Amino acid sequence: DVKVTQSSRYLVKRTGEKVFLECVQDMDHENMFWYRQDPGLGLRLIYFSYDVKMKEKGDIPEGYSVSREKKERFSLILESASTNQTSMYLCASSFNGGTNIQYFGAGTRLSVL
Amino acid sequence: SQQGEEDPQALSIQEGENATMNCSYKTSINNLQWYRQNSGRGLVHLILIRSNEREKHSGRLRVTLDTSKKSSSLLITASRAADTASYFCATPGGSNYKLTFGKGTLLTVNP
Repeated sequence: DVKVTQSSRYLVKRTGEKVFLECVQDMDHENMFWYRQDPGLGLRLIYFSYDVKMKEKGDIPEGYSVSREKKERFSLILESASTNQTSMYLCASSFNGGTNIQYFGAGTRLSVL
Repeated sequence: SQQGEEDPQALSIQEGENATMNCSYKTSINNLQWYRQNSGRGLVHLILIRSNEREKHSGRLRVTLDTSKKSSSLLITASRAADTASYFCATPGGSNYKLTFGKGTLLTVNP
């Protein structure tokens, strides 16, 4: 079974802190994604990566950056956390080519106070 | 963007009943996927239907796709309390990698 692991289930940070959300997948997938999920807004893509060191902006990249130094790991960085970044963050991965089925981690619920 | 929109937003049924959720999308697609999300957890892939398929089954799930109407439906038969979750449809998001998700249908199955 594909396993996508997010480093924290719950996280509480202060405004202005630098926040790292880590995601690791064990299936050698080329593609990795970061989404945020908010009530009434559904899933919105923040960034995705189709290869090591490669990244592309999604629909809402402002206030976020990402890092993919190794194929299995994709990090989401909030340079200076703000209260409007309080949300559920979901990481996913997929195999390149074929059906684009995505495999998700359990999510990180981030609260910025 | 190619976005699926689920209908209804919320559905409450009794255990044993069937649940039907619908998804409409805007532009041509080559496949459509359905995912389930239990409360506070990540999404889990349920089933994929290709554009040349009209119907597909997986256990108690039945998915239909009508490309002429740009719509899909997900039927869960003989529902159980454990089926309580949000259900999302997803369509290719304009590149080889991305998916665009709808806002989901919240299904509550009462014991």
